[in-house]
Amino acid sequence: AQTVTQSQPEMSVQEAETVTLSCTYDTSESNYYLFWYKQPPSRQMILVIRQEAYKQQNATENRFSVNFQKAAKSFSLKISDSQLGDTAMYFCAFMKHRSTNAGKSTFGDGTTLTVKP
Amino acid sequence: SAVISQKPSRDICQRGTSLTIQCQVDSQVTMMFWYRQQPGQSLTLIATANQGSEATYESGFVIDKFPISRPNLTFSTLTVSNLSPEDSSIYLCSVEGWVFGPGTRLTVT
Repeated sequence: AQTVTQSQPEMSVQEAETVTLSCTYDTSESNYYLFWYKQPPSRQMILVIRQEAYKQQNATENRFSVNFQKAAKSFSLKISDSQLGDTAMYFCAFMKHRSTNAGKSTFGDGTTLTVKP
Repeated sequence: SAVISQKPSRDICQRGTSLTIQCQVDSQVTMMFWYRQQPGQSLTLIATANQGSEATYESGFVIDKFPISRPNLTFSTLTVSNLSPEDSSIYLCSVEGWVFGPGTRLTVT
């Protein structure tokens, strides 16, 4: 079974600064996806960024980027130029590759990020 | 990516009653997933709903408590039966592995 660990229950950052959220996972699979989701108080789960394990290049989406270390099973999220709207709960998630699984995900416990003005 | 709508967005129910949550997708999908998010916690998969077959439930979730229907490739329902305060949660529908509906917030009094 897969496990996902987010060791930082809460974090804060000043507006315009950079913050990194940590995530580690455990799996025996070789082909899988990793995700970071944002969940604001509205409760909508918003996909922030997605990484396919077979791709060595780290994924980026505007101000969001990941540091994917496959051997270390680490998948951290870096948010640059933090904005007040980034305040939310962030979840790291693991999913086996579609070819071997239906697409169900395992989630970490989440990190509450507060961006301070 | 697919777009998902859920009904109702929120409800307050009496203990002992049931609530049925609807999940509608704007495109045909093979599998739909139902998750529960208890207050202050992460998401836990309840079951996988396949069209034309019985849903597959995760450990700790049973069909009598969480019956699921999947009548076609764009629609599914999750019923939470015999409600207790412990069922107060957000229930989310998901497809394609990473697309989520807006969630249904259930409060049981």
